[in-house]
Amino acid sequence: GEDVEQSLFLSVREGDSSVINCTYTDSSSTYLYWYKQEPGAGLQLLTYIFSNMDMKQDQRLTVLLNKKDKHLSLRIADTQTGDSAIYFCAESRDRDDKIIFGKGTRLHILP
Amino acid sequence: KAGVTQTPRYLIKTRGQQVTLSCSPISGHRSVSWYQQTPGQGLQFLFEYFSETQRNKGNFPGRFSGRQFSNSRSEMNVSTLELGDSALYLCASSLEGGRGSGNTGELFFGEGSRLTVL
Repeated sequence: GEDVEQSLFLSVREGDSSVINCTYTDSSSTYLYWYKQEPGAGLQLLTYIFSNMDMKQDQRLTVLLNKKDKHLSLRIADTQTGDSAIYFCAESRDRDDKIIFGKGTRLHILP
Repeated sequence: KAGVTQTPRYLIKTRGQQVTLSCSPISGHRSVSWYQQTPGQGLQFLFEYFSETQRNKGNFPGRFSGRQFSNSRSEMNVSTLELGDSALYLCASSLEGGRGSGNTGELFFGEGSRLTVL
């Protein structure tokens, strides 16, 4: 079955890089997503990557995909206090399939 | 463009009661998905509706049901409430555009309906 695993907590000093890791089990995953949830709000898409890509960069965000190991990571450069949130890794087999989420990684920024 | 609207935002029920939650998707979005979010289990997929039909379903018991109307608005219902049903219920809508349209299936989430069962 489909499963998405990620660590629950990460603490990073302001200005450092944050790296959030995720593993998934479904080898048919085609779309892989990172969503962000700020306190009291719904989730918002941060970035996505297709399974035929290894890397995607978008300003301070870098997504790396190792399809062989089914490992996805999100790197946030120059982490700011506004990056404090829960980050969800998610996958789906195709665009019209259900999207399965991990439990989320709570990113805490240290001063 | 208005976002996804969920009502009510907060509600308190007692065990055995039933509850109906409502979701209005972004205008033009035809797919509506429902998720249950709890601290222990994270975000769990309930079901997805597209053109008034349930297209995908998660692993929840039959007490959880939903429907979608012709205007794409959706409701979900939980009958015979249990304490463990206390959660944030999130609705998300997405745009359908057919294969090759460049649509990534991105979900647009509402702020959720927080249900407390006493």
